[in-house]
Amino acid sequence: QVQLVESGGGVVQPGRSLRLSCAASGFTFSSYGMHWVRQAPGKGLEWVALISYDGSNTKYADSVKGRFPISRDNSKNTLYLQMNSLRAEDTAVYYCAKEGLIFCGGDCSPLDYWGQGILVTVSS
Amino acid sequence: QLVLTQSPSASASLGASVKLTCTLSSGHGTYSIAWHQQQPEKGPRYLMNLHSDGSHTKGDGIPDRFSGSSSGAERYLTISSLQSDDEADYYCQTWGTGRVVFGGGTKLTVL
Repeated sequence: QVQLVESGGGVVQPGRSLRLSCAASGFTFSSYGMHWVRQAPGKGLEWVALISYDGSNTKYADSVKGRFPISRDNSKNTLYLQMNSLRAEDTAVYYCAKEGLIFCGGDCSPLDYWGQGILVTVSS
Repeated sequence: QLVLTQSPSASASLGASVKLTCTLSSGHGTYSIAWHQQQPEKGPRYLMNLHSDGSHTKGDGIPDRFSGSSSGAERYLTISSLQSDDEADYYCQTWGTGRVVFGGGTKLTVL
């Protein structure tokens, strides 16, 4: 069955960096676009970034553009989010999620599987 | 720009039915959406993909109690025979404008 397991979260000071990973299994990772979505404490879901199945297309929310590059290693079935210049307002649970449509160039189908999430706390 | 609007809260009794609404912003009334459920302290779970004609495809293991329908720019999620573990936040989501968009979510209380 499809499994998405996030790791790399924790407490970090403002201005510092953190890299999240999402290990995927149970499907052909290299055939599906992937996303990061976050949820601040007590708030709703906020889309962060997407990457196409082959890594050729990436898109970002305005709130993280230029700070949070998304990448993937299809040989390791792993998705990444490099979080730079972190701010207090980036504090959230971060989820990785899989697109439902095979060979999608990004942003062309619903998200059909989610990870359990990983907490990132930005605080001095 | 595309915006999805949901009522912040809804409630219904155990065993009853409830209909949640997600409204697409003007000019985007033909878009498909997805419904997701988020139980307390858990990650979201994909429920279904819902099209403008009301046709829908459910995710793996989603029971028949969950169904979708559409009318104009409104997309509905109906849950019948409510159970206690249906108490959750429900989010609609769409795509296709260069970014993924979520509604603000509806918190469903089962009385």
